[in-house]
Order: sequence, then C-alpha cells, then structure tokens
Amino acid sequence: DAGITQSPRHKVTETGTPVTLRCHQTENHRYMYWYRQDPGHGLRLIHYSYGVQDTNKGEVSDGYSVSRSNTEDLPLTLESAASSQTSVYFCASSVAGATDTQYFGPGTRLTVL
Amino acid sequence: AQTVTQSQPEMSVQEAETVTLSCTYDTSESDYYLFWYKQPPSRQMILVIRQEAYKQQNATENRFSVNFQKAAKSFSLKISDSQLGDAAMYFCAYRSSGSRLTFGEGTQLTVNP
Repeated sequence: DAGITQSPRHKVTETGTPVTLRCHQTENHRYMYWYRQDPGHGLRLIHYSYGVQDTNKGEVSDGYSVSRSNTEDLPLTLESAASSQTSVYFCASSVAGATDTQYFGPGTRLTVL
Repeated sequence: AQTVTQSQPEMSVQEAETVTLSCTYDTSESDYYLFWYKQPPSRQMILVIRQEAYKQQNATENRFSVNFQKAAKSFSLKISDSQLGDAAMYFCAYRSSGSRLTFGEGTQLTVNP
C-alpha cells in the first residue's frame, strides 16, 4: 500500500464554518485525487491534481477547492461547510495518470450539523 | 459517459465456499482498465485485482480471479475458499486514458461461519 495519510479521521463541524481536510503521501506519486463516498453513489471524484500547481475539477466539485504546492500534500477545503457535504472523504494517489492503479488513504468522516 | 453497474447490493457466502460478484460497464473505448477494490469496516479502500482490457487472459490474485468478457462488457469477481476476512464492500471500477476512475455502487459481501 502507498503511504497515504489523512487527517483528521473524524470531524464534526457546524454549517457555514470553513473546513480543511488534509492528505499526505510519502510515495512521491505525481497524481492525487479527492473522492467523497455516500450511500447509493459509490465514490465520486471531487478534485484531482496531476502535479504541483495543477488542479482540476471532478464531477462534484461545487463547494470544494484544492491547492497543490508540493508533491506530498493535497488539502481539500470546504469554504463554508453545508449539511450536504456530510460524507466520508477519501484521498488517493497514483504514480502515473490515466490507467495507473490508485491507492487510497484511510478516509475522513465529516459531519456537518 | 462511462457507467459502472453492480446489480447486487448484497451477497452472502458460507465460509470456504465460492462466490461471484457481478459488474457490467458501458464504454465506447477499446483500451481501458478495470479494477476491483475491497472496503472492509475500517473503510480503507484496498485494491484486490486489476485487468487490462487488451489482455485476453483473466487476472488472478491468489483466491481472487475475474471473468472478463469484453464483448459483453462484463467483469465479475470470483472469490474462492471464502474467509471471514473477505467480508467487506466490494467496488468495481473502470478507467480509460480519456476518463477518470468511475466506481460502481458496491456490493456488500457477508461471509457466514
């Protein structure tokens, strides 16, 4: 398994507050991704990055932002948390892009009250 | 857009028996990759097996094997000699060079002692 850590593992916050979820990988993977997992939807891509200073929107990017200032980290920011963003969030990384295997972090359970 | 369908929300198997999880996908691409991921109660997403579409030979990993039917766009996972530790949610996923990783909704596997 790739060395991917996420913090915090659990977070409860209130509607309207900013939240940052952190993802750190020690595998020197160039590609990083953020997904959310909800019942009935499987995993859906929020944002992804193909390298430092590169970020791209996924299929459910509204209300989220990311920045990539180094290879190891891809923090996910919720500028103003909404109850609809209550979910389990997974970070993933891969060596290469399109067809390479993605390795996942342990997940962060976020509850927005 | 590519879609991945897992038609079995839940499956159960007796310990030491064999179970097959179904997955179908829709694509117009000829070159793509298919994956099965396992998510145990710990929530960690773990790669089980990977299949390249250009390979006719079905992938195998110890007790896990796939039945890849490219013409039928079917990619089932067979677990032989099921163990209690195999109990988890299993996700089928698809990716091509022109698309991001797309997941099915998952199949919850229960292993009965």
